[in-house]
Amino acid sequence: EVQLVESGGGLVHPGGSLRLSCAASGFTLSDYWMQWVRQVPGKGLMWVSRINRDGSSGAYAESVRGRFTISRDNAKNTVYLQMDSLRVEDTAMYYCARGGSYSPDWGQGTLVTVSS
Amino acid sequence: ETMMTQSPPTLSVSPGERATLSCRASLEISTNLAWYQQKPGQAPRLLIYGASTRATGVPARFSGSGSGTEFTLTISSLQSEDFAVYYCQEYYNWPPWTFGQGTKVEIK
Repeated sequence: EVQLVESGGGLVHPGGSLRLSCAASGFTLSDYWMQWVRQVPGKGLMWVSRINRDGSSGAYAESVRGRFTISRDNAKNTVYLQMDSLRVEDTAMYYCARGGSYSPDWGQGTLVTVSS
Repeated sequence: ETMMTQSPPTLSVSPGERATLSCRASLEISTNLAWYQQKPGQAPRLLIYGASTRATGVPARFSGSGSGTEFTLTISSLQSEDFAVYYCQEYYNWPPWTFGQGTKVEIK
C-alpha cells in the first residue's frame, strides 16, 4: 500500500523558515516524480513544486520561486520542501503527492501557519 | 498559465440523481485533465485522468469526457458518499499545473 506521510509543519513568524518532509513507503520512490500541492483552509488547490526522479531538477510556482527548494533522498525514501522567507500568504495545508503530472496518491498533509 | 474554470460553484443534487460538472481550460490541453474528489478534512482523491480514464478503485458511476478546452465529470447516480468538492487539474501546459476552483456537490 502506498503511503505518504508529511511532517514538519507548524507555526512560524513571517520571514522564518521550515522544512517539510514527506516519508514514502509502499513503492520505489526513485521510480517517480514527486510534487507538493498546498491548500489554504477552505480554499482551492495550488501546485507548488515538483522534482524529477533523481532529484536533479526541480520546478516551482512563481509565487514561491527563489524562496522554496524541493529535494529528495531516495535512499531515505523522503522528499523535502525547504521553505525560507515565509510570508503570511504561505499559510496552508501542504500535501505531498506521487507523480509529476496528475497524482494518484496524496499524503494527509501538514499545516503551515505563518503569523506574527 | 492555463486558467481552469469550473461550473457551477455549487451543485445541489438529490441522492440517486445525476450530477454534471464542467471544467473549461483557457488554453488547449488535449486530454491532459484530471478530476479529484475532496471531502472535509481529507486529502484529494484522484478519480479520473486522461480526461476519461477512471483511477483504480473508482466506481463506474463516475465518468469523464471532453478534449481540447471543454470537459465534463458525470456522476450517474449520486450516493451519500459522493457529496464533496470536485477539482479539475490540467497537466498539459507546463509550468505550472493548474487546478480549477472547485465545484461543491451538496445534498438538495
